[in-house]
Amino acid sequence: DARVTQTPRHKVTEMGQEVTMRCQPILGHNTVFWYRQTMMQGLELLAYFRNRAPLDDSGMPKDRFSAEMPDATLATLKIQPSEPRDSAVYFCASGPRTANTEAFFGQGTRLTVV
Amino acid sequence: QKEVEQNSGPLSVPEGAIASLNCTYSDRGSQSFFWYRQYSGKSPELIMSIYSNGDKEDGRFTAQLNKASQYVSLLIRDSQPSDSATYLCAVRTGGGADGLTFGKGTHLIIQP
Repeated sequence: DARVTQTPRHKVTEMGQEVTMRCQPILGHNTVFWYRQTMMQGLELLAYFRNRAPLDDSGMPKDRFSAEMPDATLATLKIQPSEPRDSAVYFCASGPRTANTEAFFGQGTRLTVV
Repeated sequence: QKEVEQNSGPLSVPEGAIASLNCTYSDRGSQSFFWYRQYSGKSPELIMSIYSNGDKEDGRFTAQLNKASQYVSLLIRDSQPSDSATYLCAVRTGGGADGLTFGKGTHLIIQP
Protein backbone atom coordinates (compact mmCIF):
# COMPACT_ATOMS: atom_id res chain seq x y z
CA ASP A 1 0.00 0.00 0.00
CA ALA A 2 1.97 2.99 -1.31
CA ARG A 3 1.16 6.03 0.75
CA VAL A 4 2.81 8.78 2.75
CA THR A 5 2.60 8.09 6.46
CA GLN A 6 2.63 10.87 9.04
CA THR A 7 2.81 10.68 12.82
CA PRO A 8 1.28 11.76 15.08
CA ARG A 9 -2.13 12.42 13.52
CA HIS A 10 -3.05 14.83 16.31
CA LYS A 11 -0.94 16.76 18.79
CA VAL A 12 -1.97 19.13 21.53
CA THR A 13 0.84 20.87 23.33
CA GLU A 14 1.49 23.83 25.55
CA MET A 15 3.14 26.97 24.30
CA GLY A 16 6.90 26.75 24.59
CA GLN A 17 7.09 22.99 24.20
CA GLU A 18 9.00 21.22 21.46
CA VAL A 19 6.98 19.46 18.76
CA THR A 20 8.35 16.87 16.36
CA MET A 21 6.34 15.62 13.40
CA ARG A 22 7.45 12.63 11.33
CA CYS A 23 6.87 11.54 7.78
CA GLN A 24 7.62 8.36 5.88
CA PRO A 25 7.52 9.10 2.14
CA ILE A 26 6.36 6.61 -0.47
CA LEU A 27 9.10 4.09 -1.13
CA GLY A 28 11.17 5.18 -4.11
CA HIS A 29 10.09 8.81 -4.01
CA ASN A 30 13.07 11.14 -3.85
CA THR A 31 11.32 14.46 -3.18
CA VAL A 32 9.67 15.32 0.12
CA PHE A 33 7.65 18.44 0.88
CA TRP A 34 6.36 19.94 4.11
CA TYR A 35 3.21 22.08 3.89
CA ARG A 36 1.16 23.89 6.50
CA GLN A 37 -2.56 24.51 6.04
CA THR A 38 -4.66 27.10 7.84
CA MET A 39 -8.04 28.57 7.03
CA MET A 40 -6.55 32.00 6.48
CA GLN A 41 -3.44 31.15 4.46
CA GLY A 42 -4.39 27.90 2.80
CA LEU A 43 -1.56 25.50 1.93
CA GLU A 44 1.88 27.03 2.38
CA LEU A 45 5.12 25.35 1.38
CA LEU A 46 7.50 25.27 4.33
CA ALA A 47 10.41 23.24 2.97
CA TYR A 48 11.33 20.50 0.56
CA PHE A 49 14.07 17.97 0.01
CA ARG A 50 15.40 16.09 -2.97
CA ASN A 51 17.52 13.02 -2.40
CA ARG A 52 17.54 14.00 1.29
CA ALA A 53 19.18 17.37 0.58
CA PRO A 54 17.24 20.50 1.56
CA LEU A 55 16.48 22.55 -1.56
CA ASP A 56 14.28 25.28 -0.20
CA ASP A 57 13.19 26.17 3.31
CA SER A 58 12.39 29.81 2.63
CA GLY A 59 8.80 29.32 3.73
CA MET A 60 9.82 28.27 7.20
CA PRO A 61 10.35 30.53 10.23
CA LYS A 62 14.02 29.78 10.77
CA ASP A 63 14.19 30.78 14.39
CA ARG A 64 11.86 28.05 15.58
CA PHE A 65 11.33 25.56 12.76
CA SER A 66 13.75 22.97 11.46
CA ALA A 67 13.36 20.21 8.89
CA GLU A 68 15.62 17.23 8.31
CA MET A 69 15.82 13.93 6.47
CA PRO A 70 17.99 11.60 8.53
CA ASP A 71 17.46 8.88 5.94
CA ALA A 72 15.45 8.20 2.80
CA THR A 73 12.52 6.76 4.76
CA LEU A 74 12.14 9.51 7.36
CA ALA A 75 11.57 13.26 7.26
CA THR A 76 11.07 15.33 10.39
CA LEU A 77 9.70 18.78 11.09
CA LYS A 78 10.48 20.25 14.47
CA ILE A 79 9.12 23.36 16.17
CA GLN A 80 10.95 24.69 19.22
CA PRO A 81 9.54 26.57 21.03
CA SER A 82 5.97 26.19 19.80
CA GLU A 83 3.54 29.12 19.79
CA PRO A 84 -0.26 29.29 19.48
CA ARG A 85 0.08 30.74 15.97
CA ASP A 86 1.71 27.47 14.90
CA SER A 87 -1.64 25.72 15.29
CA ALA A 88 -2.43 24.25 11.88
CA VAL A 89 -2.49 21.03 9.91
CA TYR A 90 0.97 20.03 8.74
CA PHE A 91 1.15 17.89 5.65
CA CYS A 92 4.03 15.92 4.27
CA ALA A 93 3.99 15.02 0.59
CA SER A 94 6.36 13.03 -1.60
CA GLY A 95 7.01 12.83 -5.31
CA PRO A 96 8.79 10.38 -7.63
CA ARG A 97 12.11 10.87 -9.38
CA THR A 98 10.71 12.23 -12.63
CA ALA A 99 10.59 16.00 -12.88
CA ASN A 100 7.31 17.89 -13.18
CA THR A 101 5.30 15.20 -11.49
CA GLU A 102 2.68 15.40 -8.86
CA ALA A 103 3.02 15.27 -5.09
CA PHE A 104 1.15 12.74 -2.96
CA PHE A 105 0.01 13.85 0.46
CA GLY A 106 0.01 12.14 3.80
CA GLN A 107 -2.96 12.39 6.15
CA GLY A 108 -1.48 15.30 8.04
CA THR A 109 -0.71 16.17 11.64
CA ARG A 110 -3.24 18.45 13.30
CA LEU A 111 -1.27 20.57 15.76
CA THR A 112 -2.90 22.63 18.48
CA VAL A 113 -0.72 24.83 20.66
CA VAL A 114 -2.47 26.15 23.76
CA GLN B 1 6.11 36.22 -5.83
CA LYS B 2 4.24 33.30 -7.29
CA GLU B 3 0.49 33.54 -6.85
CA VAL B 4 -2.33 31.20 -7.67
CA GLU B 5 -5.83 32.64 -7.50
CA GLN B 6 -9.13 30.86 -7.16
CA ASN B 7 -12.64 31.99 -6.35
CA SER B 8 -13.29 30.70 -2.84
CA GLY B 9 -16.98 30.03 -3.50
CA PRO B 10 -19.05 28.33 -2.42
CA LEU B 11 -19.99 27.27 -5.92
CA SER B 12 -23.35 25.54 -5.90
CA VAL B 13 -24.22 23.23 -8.82
CA PRO B 14 -27.25 20.96 -9.22
CA GLU B 15 -26.65 17.24 -9.43
CA GLY B 16 -26.05 16.08 -12.99
CA ALA B 17 -24.90 19.50 -14.21
CA ILE B 18 -21.38 20.59 -15.21
CA ALA B 19 -19.26 22.21 -12.52
CA SER B 20 -16.64 24.66 -13.79
CA LEU B 21 -13.72 25.62 -11.56
CA ASN B 22 -11.21 28.27 -12.54
CA CYS B 23 -7.68 29.23 -11.56
CA THR B 24 -5.22 31.90 -12.65
CA TYR B 25 -1.49 32.03 -11.92
CA SER B 26 1.05 34.81 -11.98
CA ASP B 27 4.32 33.09 -12.92
CA ARG B 28 4.69 32.80 -16.71
CA GLY B 29 7.43 30.24 -16.22
CA SER B 30 5.00 27.74 -14.74
CA GLN B 31 5.08 24.39 -16.49
CA SER B 32 3.04 21.90 -14.48
CA PHE B 33 -0.52 22.28 -13.29
CA PHE B 34 -2.53 20.12 -10.94
CA TRP B 35 -5.99 19.86 -9.50
CA TYR B 36 -6.44 18.39 -6.04
CA ARG B 37 -9.66 17.56 -4.25
CA GLN B 38 -9.86 17.93 -0.49
CA TYR B 39 -12.74 16.69 1.60
CA SER B 40 -13.28 18.37 4.96
CA GLY B 41 -10.77 17.09 7.50
CA LYS B 42 -8.88 15.05 4.91
CA SER B 43 -5.68 15.49 2.92
CA PRO B 44 -5.50 16.80 -0.66
CA GLU B 45 -5.96 14.08 -3.26
CA LEU B 46 -4.65 14.47 -6.80
CA ILE B 47 -7.33 14.20 -9.47
CA MET B 48 -5.77 15.74 -12.60
CA SER B 49 -2.47 16.99 -13.98
CA ILE B 50 -1.90 18.95 -17.17
CA TYR B 51 1.32 20.15 -18.76
CA SER B 52 0.48 21.49 -22.25
CA ASN B 53 -2.08 23.84 -23.68
CA GLY B 54 -5.49 22.39 -24.48
CA ASP B 55 -7.79 19.90 -22.85
CA LYS B 56 -7.10 16.71 -20.98
CA GLU B 57 -9.95 14.36 -20.14
CA ASP B 58 -10.12 11.66 -17.49
CA GLY B 59 -13.54 10.15 -16.93
CA ARG B 60 -15.92 12.89 -15.80
CA PHE B 61 -13.07 15.36 -15.33
CA THR B 62 -11.56 17.66 -17.95
CA ALA B 63 -8.64 19.97 -17.26
CA GLN B 64 -8.07 22.92 -19.57
CA LEU B 65 -4.87 24.94 -19.82
CA ASN B 66 -4.19 28.24 -21.57
CA LYS B 67 -0.63 29.37 -20.87
CA ALA B 68 -1.01 32.59 -22.87
CA SER B 69 -3.83 33.66 -20.57
CA GLN B 70 -2.22 32.02 -17.51
CA TYR B 71 -5.44 30.21 -16.87
CA VAL B 72 -6.31 26.64 -15.92
CA SER B 73 -9.74 25.19 -15.33
CA LEU B 74 -11.41 21.99 -14.25
CA LEU B 75 -14.75 20.79 -15.57
CA ILE B 76 -16.71 18.09 -13.77
CA ARG B 77 -19.45 16.54 -15.88
CA ASP B 78 -22.51 14.80 -14.46
CA SER B 79 -21.76 16.24 -11.01
CA GLN B 80 -22.50 13.96 -8.08
CA PRO B 81 -23.06 14.82 -4.41
CA SER B 82 -19.79 12.98 -3.70
CA ASP B 83 -18.00 15.66 -5.74
CA SER B 84 -18.79 18.18 -3.01
CA ALA B 85 -15.39 19.21 -1.69
CA THR B 86 -12.78 21.95 -1.91
CA TYR B 87 -10.82 21.91 -5.16
CA LEU B 88 -7.25 23.17 -5.02
CA CYS B 89 -5.33 24.40 -8.02
CA ALA B 90 -1.55 23.88 -7.80
CA VAL B 91 1.24 25.15 -10.01
CA ARG B 92 4.91 24.24 -10.35
CA THR B 93 7.34 26.59 -12.04
CA GLY B 94 9.60 24.23 -13.88
CA GLY B 95 12.19 21.52 -13.98
CA GLY B 96 10.62 19.79 -11.04
CA ALA B 97 12.81 21.91 -8.82
CA ASP B 98 10.12 23.85 -7.03
CA GLY B 99 7.44 22.86 -4.65
CA LEU B 100 3.83 23.27 -5.68
CA THR B 101 2.19 26.65 -5.09
CA PHE B 102 -1.45 26.21 -4.16
CA GLY B 103 -4.47 28.41 -4.52
CA LYS B 104 -6.74 28.67 -1.50
CA GLY B 105 -9.33 26.47 -3.14
CA THR B 106 -12.90 26.65 -4.36
CA HIS B 107 -15.58 25.09 -2.19
CA LEU B 108 -17.95 23.14 -4.45
CA ILE B 109 -21.41 22.05 -3.35
CA ILE B 110 -23.43 19.66 -5.49
CA GLN B 111 -27.10 19.96 -4.67
CA PRO B 112 -29.10 16.71 -4.93
